[in-house]
Amino acid sequence: GNSVTQMEGPVTLSEEAFLTINCTYTATGYPSLFWYVQYPGEGLQLLLKATKADDKGSNKGFEATYRKETTSFHLEKGSVQVSDSAVYFCALSDFNAGNMLTFGGGTRLMVKP
Amino acid sequence: SQTIHQWPATLVQPVGSPLSLECTVEGTSNPNLYWYRQAAGRGLQLLFYSVGIGQISSEVPQNLSASRPQDRQFILSSKKLLLSDSGFYLCAWSGSNSPLHFGNGTRLTVT
Repeated sequence: GNSVTQMEGPVTLSEEAFLTINCTYTATGYPSLFWYVQYPGEGLQLLLKATKADDKGSNKGFEATYRKETTSFHLEKGSVQVSDSAVYFCALSDFNAGNMLTFGGGTRLMVKP
Repeated sequence: SQTIHQWPATLVQPVGSPLSLECTVEGTSNPNLYWYRQAAGRGLQLLFYSVGIGQISSEVPQNLSASRPQDRQFILSSKKLLLSDSGFYLCAWSGSNSPLHFGNGTRLTVT
């Protein structure tokens, strides 16, 4: 079956530090990959996505590249802000599984001023 | 544009009481609808999904049920709540080839 594994948090960084949140996946087909962000007390919002190998998704300074050879989709940002503090979820959608989303466990990011 | 509404935002209910959480979507037709639960400190668990009116698939056997009485309405229910039903419940929708769009969630505390 499909699965998504994320690094456990919390990840605590100082403002303007470089961020990497690791995500690896297992899928039987050729999934699309997503990062969702959940700010405190809110639902999840789509942050970025990539639909095929070597695609790079980007939004709000965040980037992630679909690496088929390493089955990874690591989230990066060059300079984090306090407002980036949230829980980040990696997810995959597999056409062979009816396009259902499979989520990782989430990684809490805390950015200190 | 499409919007999703979920209510109430917070709810405190005693053990053994019934539950009804409602979710509606606007601006789209025949969406796929989902209920997720997020337990404290844990990831997302898919509870139910629906691809059409009256069509409900359950992912995890439990104390909850779902119904879709109208195309853009999705209801999560329970006849008798348990303490373990406490959590953050998220409704979501998607099109045939679009990502999930989530509501703002309902924080349920069963006392």
